[in-house]
Amino acid sequence: DTAVSQTPKYLVTQMGNDKSIKCEQNLGHDTMYWYKQDSKKFLKIMFSYNNKELIINETVPNRFSPKSPDKAHLNLHINSLELGDSAVYFCASSQDGSGVTDTQYFGPGTRLTVL
Amino acid sequence: GQNIDQPTEMTATEGAIVQINCTYQTSGFNGLFWYQQHAGEAPTFLSYNVLDGLEEKGRFSSFLSRSKGYSYLLLKELQMKDSASYLCAVLDSNYQLIWGAGTKLIIKP
Repeated sequence: DTAVSQTPKYLVTQMGNDKSIKCEQNLGHDTMYWYKQDSKKFLKIMFSYNNKELIINETVPNRFSPKSPDKAHLNLHINSLELGDSAVYFCASSQDGSGVTDTQYFGPGTRLTVL
Repeated sequence: GQNIDQPTEMTATEGAIVQINCTYQTSGFNGLFWYQQHAGEAPTFLSYNVLDGLEEKGRFSSFLSRSKGYSYLLLKELQMKDSASYLCAVLDSNYQLIWGAGTKLIIKP
């Protein structure tokens, strides 16, 4: 009965490969997010998405693309992986993406290592 | 630009009290959050302040002064399990959550 789940937990791959990380939330939330946490532990928002709007952090390379088959899922697809993509990626969700109800619930994280 | 500042690291003794400060400069303000993150785990919600003053929740309290762009998280009766990073985050005028880099709290026996 995990609220926000991600798979895989660990992902090791070669430079140049394409990979996907899956995220699912069973909280009935409207908004989902992807964050990157680098070695300095700084959380950087990559995307926020609800059924109305996708907001993209302009610093995110277009090799990264979110895909949402339905409200409960927001997958992260990465093309042509680079060494600098190595980090922990967190998925999160919040009730409606604004105001008091914007408490975010995080998934367990996916540690991506690019060799 | 938008900026959130917190100390990088703090050390405290088991049983003591510690205050972690956060100052912010953001485009608008719709509330401030504190999250706790243990090493290798996901952040978890601790508190939310949108009005000035102190919010108490058990051993943890959070304070906000909007006029000063300042918040602190107060942890009392420290336990070893409180060793973690504490992240300050502000909801800006576009309802985007702007994160600080976190404060690593080390508890010593």
